Amino acid sequence: EVQLVESGGGLVQPGGSLRLSCAASGFTFSNYWMTWLRQAPGKGLEWVANIKGDGGDQYYVDSVKGRFTISRDNAKNSLYLQMNSLRAEDTAVYYCARDPNYDDRGGVFDCWGQGTLVTVSS
Amino acid sequence: EIVMTQSPATLSVSPGERATLSCRASQSVSSNLVWYQQKPGQAPRLLIYGASTRAIGIPARFSGSGSGREFTLTINSLQSEDFAVYYCQQNNNWYTFGQGTKLEIK
Repeated sequence: EVQLVESGGGLVQPGGSLRLSCAASGFTFSNYWMTWLRQAPGKGLEWVANIKGDGGDQYYVDSVKGRFTISRDNAKNSLYLQMNSLRAEDTAVYYCARDPNYDDRGGVFDCWGQGTLVTVSS
Repeated sequence: EIVMTQSPATLSVSPGERATLSCRASQSVSSNLVWYQQKPGQAPRLLIYGASTRAIGIPARFSGSGSGREFTLTINSLQSEDFAVYYCQQNNNWYTFGQGTKLEIK
């Protein structure tokens, strides 16, 4: 069974940092693009960043460029999101998701974790 | 950025009836359109990709159609478990989501 489990969320002050983790199981992790998405309380979904299976390529939404870093450790079947210079508008549930890259086109997220809440507040 | 607009914001339908949800893109996304279902307190669940291809395990009562800028998700014979929020998302030029349609019991 495919499973994604996020951890690392919590309360952080504006300007602070947090590192999210996502533990994957049930599939060959290194074969898949992986993605972080977020959902502000009561709001819709937003793609945040993604990373190729070998870790060689990473992409970000403009609002987090230069502040967030996505990475992975294929030996540990784990995905990470390092978040620096956090702002109130980064408050959200953060999900990791798998991207099977159907037809060589990314952006179809077929399995999601349960999410971890990040709250940025003083 | 491609803006996705869903309508209506809330749709009230009786169990057993058909629901039709709409999604419009600010520019053509070809057939690169995805639908998700989200229930309260849960992560989204992939329903449809490529505008009309059902994901693994998705019942046949869910169908997607459209191309270019206009898309539709149709749910036939609504079951109690289908009442949820539905999001469309384009994956033609990066990835952006609609604001969601809440499908509620009439």
